[in-house]
Amino acid sequence: GNSVTQMEGPVTLSEEAFLTINCTYTATGYPSLFWYVQYPGEGLQLLLKATKADDKGSNKGFEATYRKETTSFHLEKGSVQVSDSAVYFCALLTGDKLIFGTGTRLQVFP
Amino acid sequence: NAGVTQTPKFRVLKTGQSMTLLCAQDMNHEYMYWYRQDPGMGLRLIHYSVGEGTTAKGEVPDGYNVSRLKKQNFLLGLESAAPSQTSVYFCASSYKGEDTQYFGPGTRLTVL
Repeated sequence: GNSVTQMEGPVTLSEEAFLTINCTYTATGYPSLFWYVQYPGEGLQLLLKATKADDKGSNKGFEATYRKETTSFHLEKGSVQVSDSAVYFCALLTGDKLIFGTGTRLQVFP
Repeated sequence: NAGVTQTPKFRVLKTGQSMTLLCAQDMNHEYMYWYRQDPGMGLRLIHYSVGEGTTAKGEVPDGYNVSRLKKQNFLLGLESAAPSQTSVYFCASSYKGEDTQYFGPGTRLTVL
């Protein structure tokens, strides 16, 4: 079946460090891929998305590239800030349903 | 434009009590969804609706009922709450099924 696997957290970084959060997926067909972010006490917000192979989604300094050959959609940011501390969810859209990974908590310290 | 709103924000119930969670969206979206979020399990789809007057089961529908009498509202009901339903509940909506989903702020429910 369709599924999303994310690296377990928490990921702990110092400010200005490079961030990678791994995400791989299993799906039939050609799903759209998403990263959502959840700040403490809030709902999920769309961070970025990609709808076809080799597409790169980007927003707020975050990037992720849809890699069909490795079934991956890793999230990267070159220099994290304290304000990026949140839980990040990778998700795939197949048909009309979103399937989420379990989430990765990012903690950034000054 | 408020987006997706949920009421209430917090609720504590005793086992066996009933309650209804309300989700409202002002974006004229066709699709609406109810998820629950539990530690270490991400978000799981409870029920969803593809338009006014329609509902369908998601991944974890047992113990919940839903109604979509108006396009802008999607109600989630618990007829007899159980401690296993302690969770954070999120509503979401999208214009079409293949479009981006927009989420509400969540309702934290505790069942004692």
